[in-house]
Amino acid sequence: QQQVKQSPQSLIVQKGGISIINCAYENTAFDYFPWYQQFPGKGPALLIAIRPDVSEKKEGRFTISFNKSAKQFSLHIMDSQPGDSATYFCAASMSGGYQKVTFGTGTKLQVIP
Amino acid sequence: DAGVTQSPTHLIKTRGQQVTLRCSPKSGHDTVSWYQQALGQGPQFIFQYYEEEERQRGNFPDRFSGHQFPNYSSELNVNALLLGDSALYLCASSFLRTSGPYEQYFGPGTRLTVT
Repeated sequence: QQQVKQSPQSLIVQKGGISIINCAYENTAFDYFPWYQQFPGKGPALLIAIRPDVSEKKEGRFTISFNKSAKQFSLHIMDSQPGDSATYFCAASMSGGYQKVTFGTGTKLQVIP
Repeated sequence: DAGVTQSPTHLIKTRGQQVTLRCSPKSGHDTVSWYQQALGQGPQFIFQYYEEEERQRGNFPDRFSGHQFPNYSSELNVNALLLGDSALYLCASSFLRTSGPYEQYFGPGTRLTVT
């Protein structure tokens, strides 16, 4: 059962451009939405996270936009750099206690010079 | 401070065999979760251990079992291996909180190939 849907599957962006990755969830009990970045041969690393009481969170070049009524959230990478080339996963969980994280299927981002 | 460590890095097994994967959590963490990541897919939650007991389980058969030791380290055991068990197995550690979100730190994973 796919509870977090992610698109696109792959993305090619020119250096300096904006990368946008979208996710949608089904379970309204989810209240914590992290984004992970994974480089080849490495485990996922937390990039940025948001809770549904805010509509936007920004950390450096990375911004999460959250639409609770639509059950959608997205990651924007501003001024994309070749070093951002990686696979990005959105995820969702219910915070507190025994936390099971449900991941999206991933977006492979390639930033070309 | 060492992060989450996993061993071995790579492993090749034959169908029907059994395998044990190991994980040491980040210092200060008391909770370990295991995930299976098939090629080109997102990680899928297997189970989570806290205070040496399995607390949550994903949609995985009983062939997948685990253990957590008093020092918080953990093992994942898979019996009767199938070709479909070939994947990257990720361990994530965290510090359990009764309320509010908490970050899970992932290890580099163990690449299991079943032939």
